Amino acid sequence: DTGVSQNPRHKITKRGQNVTFRCDPISEHNRLYWYRQTLGQGPEFLTYFQNEAQLEKSRLLSDRFSAERPKGSFSTLEIQRTEQGDSAMYLCASSQGTAYGYTFGSGTRLTVV
Amino acid sequence: LAKTTQPISMDSYEGQEVNITCSHNNIATNDYITWYQQFPSQGPRFIIQGYKTKVTNEVASLFIPADRKSSTLSLPRVSLSDTAVYYCLVGELASGYSTLTFGKGTMLLVSP
Repeated sequence: DTGVSQNPRHKITKRGQNVTFRCDPISEHNRLYWYRQTLGQGPEFLTYFQNEAQLEKSRLLSDRFSAERPKGSFSTLEIQRTEQGDSAMYLCASSQGTAYGYTFGSGTRLTVV
Repeated sequence: LAKTTQPISMDSYEGQEVNITCSHNNIATNDYITWYQQFPSQGPRFIIQGYKTKVTNEVASLFIPADRKSSTLSLPRVSLSDTAVYYCLVGELASGYSTLTFGKGTMLLVSP
């Protein structure tokens, strides 16, 4: 297992389009997290899954955002009707229960033009 | 979650020891202290975690005084590749511990 994998690494989209990102966590990790990071800021929490259940969502996650984790494996994050303010790095992380630390992926950089 | 305060930036030279201090005056009894490192265009990477006194691994040491209101990440003999942003986080490592809250971190610049 090579860690947390995110695809695509980069995405450029026009305002108003829908985009979907994928995250493949470390296989034995039951927890999966999505974060968003803008330039000069630390990552901001978006949502969290334990297995297939979405247990927590940030107020940052507007109705245009939806995340799924079918069968408790990979996860997708979809943004509908993208806006320029959605431009950011979207990070996925996974962990095994309350084990030490999260393992982050390299992120998907979204640019909305 | 307890709020943390760290310096915005620090400068060092290769071979020096770097100490980054984080303040967390409102740390709760069940809270642990965790440090992450982030390089540009990469996700944060776990460095070290501790509850009290001193923790050491192959990368860094973490010093936590008895009152736990601050902690210090110590990087021995830094190299150019240690140039990164370092985040201090405080959270409960228990069944209710589900998410990490990052601040702006400390930008460490190591020069030759």
